[in-house]
Amino acid sequence: GENVEQHPSTLSVQEGDSAVIKCTYSDSASNYFPWYKQELGKGPQLIIDIRSNVGEKKDQRIAVTLNKTAKHFSLHITETQPEDSAVYFCAASKPDNTDKLIFGTGTRLQVFP
Amino acid sequence: KAGVTQTPRYLIKTRGQQVTLSCSPISGHRSVSWYQQTPGQGLQFLFEYFSETQRNKGNFPGRFSGRQFSNSRSEMNVSTLELGDSALYLCASRRGPGIAGEQFFGPGTRLTVL
Repeated sequence: GENVEQHPSTLSVQEGDSAVIKCTYSDSASNYFPWYKQELGKGPQLIIDIRSNVGEKKDQRIAVTLNKTAKHFSLHITETQPEDSAVYFCAASKPDNTDKLIFGTGTRLQVFP
Repeated sequence: KAGVTQTPRYLIKTRGQQVTLSCSPISGHRSVSWYQQTPGQGLQFLFEYFSETQRNKGNFPGRFSGRQFSNSRSEMNVSTLELGDSALYLCASRRGPGIAGEQFFGPGTRLTVL
């Protein structure tokens, strides 16, 4: 069945360092890969997404890369700040006209000042 | 522009009871999806509604049901509550089906079953 694996489950970095979170998806038909940030007491918030026809996308300090052949995609956060501390989820969905997102298990990122 | 709103934010029920959760999507959004979030299982898809029709359903028992109204507001109902139903229930909205795109999540309803 559809599955998205996410690593690591926890990540601690020093302020200013980079953080990388990796995901692997099982369904080769998946074509949309969003990343969500969830802060305590809030719902997930989309921070960046990528479609299968693109290999990389950047938005200021955040970038996502996609390797369709290996079915891997990764989130890169540069110059981390304490406010980046949160749980990050990757997800994947297929072009079958539904909203169903398959989520990874989440990565708790802690940025220490 | 107001975001997705969910009511109530917190709910405590006992086993065997039933519960109804409400979701109001962003104005203009006609598609609503529901997800269950637990520490053990993570975020799991419950169902999706568009134009008052359920378009997709996840792997949950029939005790979990939902509906959507003509104004796109949605409710989900859980009958005969079990301890394992304790979770954060999230609603997400988007303009409509088609090319997968951004889903906007609400803050969730925290359900505790005692």
